Amino acid sequence: RKEVEQDPGPFNVPEGATVAFNCTYSNSASQSFFWYRQDCRKEPKLLMSVYSSGNEDGRFTAQLNRASQYISLLIRDSKLSDSATYLCVVKGNNRLAFGKGNQVVVIP
Amino acid sequence: EAQVTQNPRYLITVTGKKLTVTCSQNMNHEYMSWYRQDPGLGLRQIYYSMNVEVTDKGDVPEGYKVSRKEKRNFPLILESPSPNQTSLYFCASSLDVAQETQYFGPGTRLLVL
Repeated sequence: RKEVEQDPGPFNVPEGATVAFNCTYSNSASQSFFWYRQDCRKEPKLLMSVYSSGNEDGRFTAQLNRASQYISLLIRDSKLSDSATYLCVVKGNNRLAFGKGNQVVVIP
Repeated sequence: EAQVTQNPRYLITVTGKKLTVTCSQNMNHEYMSWYRQDPGLGLRQIYYSMNVEVTDKGDVPEGYKVSRKEKRNFPLILESPSPNQTSLYFCASSLDVAQETQYFGPGTRLLVL
């Protein structure tokens, strides 16, 4: 089983709709979880951290399910500018493991 | 401006010709790392460094070397590049390994012929 798994998509989303996707991780001892955003082969940038209690940042909501070992990201009221690849990142043992990313395409 | 810089941004070279990709950060970060990104494989860590003179292998270290003689610089060395090292390379840094935010450089596109 891969360390971090994501369905690459693409997720084609009508503008204004809601999209959600999950990421599963294999190491139950993982300590921290993040979502990064990457635009078209540019550098990844931190979107948000994922806390045990779940957290929200504007239209973005992240959740963690330790029992089932997955994290999720939900984007409400999708904008064209949300089109990007969303990378799931898991930290443990002094290193980060990246998923392959969920590609989101917001369609006008 | 706080940033991570990489040079060169684009490089075409030939098999066996040694090259170095430089990485520098001006944020006094302790933790630095190198990743390569390939289609269908995502970001994979090559090497990381928790502080000056402390480096360690990541997931795909074969064919690469690094050094950390100064806090701000973390060069990636390909002693004898091969075509399978054609990739997009990112350097990243963070305050320390526990710090949440990794700051990435703009990337270096390498083509080995």
